[in-house]
Amino acid sequence: SQQGEEDPQALSIQEGENATMNCSYKTSINNLQWYRQNSGRGLVHLILIRSNEREKHSGRLRVTLDTSKKSSSLLITASRAADTASYFCVFSGAGSYQLTFGKGTKLSVIP
Amino acid sequence: DAGVTQSPTHLIKTRGQQVTLRCSPKSGHDTVSWYQQALGQGPQFIFQYYEEEERQRGNFPDRFSGHQFPNYSSELNVNALLLGDSALYLCASSWTGGETQYFGPGTRLLVL
Repeated sequence: SQQGEEDPQALSIQEGENATMNCSYKTSINNLQWYRQNSGRGLVHLILIRSNEREKHSGRLRVTLDTSKKSSSLLITASRAADTASYFCVFSGAGSYQLTFGKGTKLSVIP
Repeated sequence: DAGVTQSPTHLIKTRGQQVTLRCSPKSGHDTVSWYQQALGQGPQFIFQYYEEEERQRGNFPDRFSGHQFPNYSSELNVNALLLGDSALYLCASSWTGGETQYFGPGTRLLVL
């Protein structure tokens, strides 16, 4: 299966703490993206990192990509209750138009 | 600027029936993809439409078909519904060459 795998499956932290989620994949990729999904706002794109990049920042988000290990991590700093959601690692392979999702990490931020 | 819209929001059907779901892409986007998301799982790619043709298809049976109209809106049709077709169906739009897909709120289908 080309599906990515996130780790952990679930994560519960206190507001203000940092949250780290990891993702592994098996195929060659063009880029890797992280999406967030909650009941209120649906599936929202957070950040994209290309295969030739190693690290990227956007606001409180930091993404790393290690293509030699076929892995990525998403760090959310100073978490807020509004960050409570499922986070998906998503990738697209060379020559493919589809996005391939993992099963997601369910993050709960406790106020 | 309206985002991706989908209709209806919820739908209940019985086994064997047929269903049509609709999607309007984000303004400026010409490509529409459909995904199925079962409870507790990540979305799975069904197919993508560009220039009114199916450009790529995922691992879904022929019971799943689609259409794209000249205004870039799209429909997803599912025939001979099975209980296992119960899921959230997501539409995503993008512009050709764009790497990011923007998702609609989804249609929740329940098959009884």
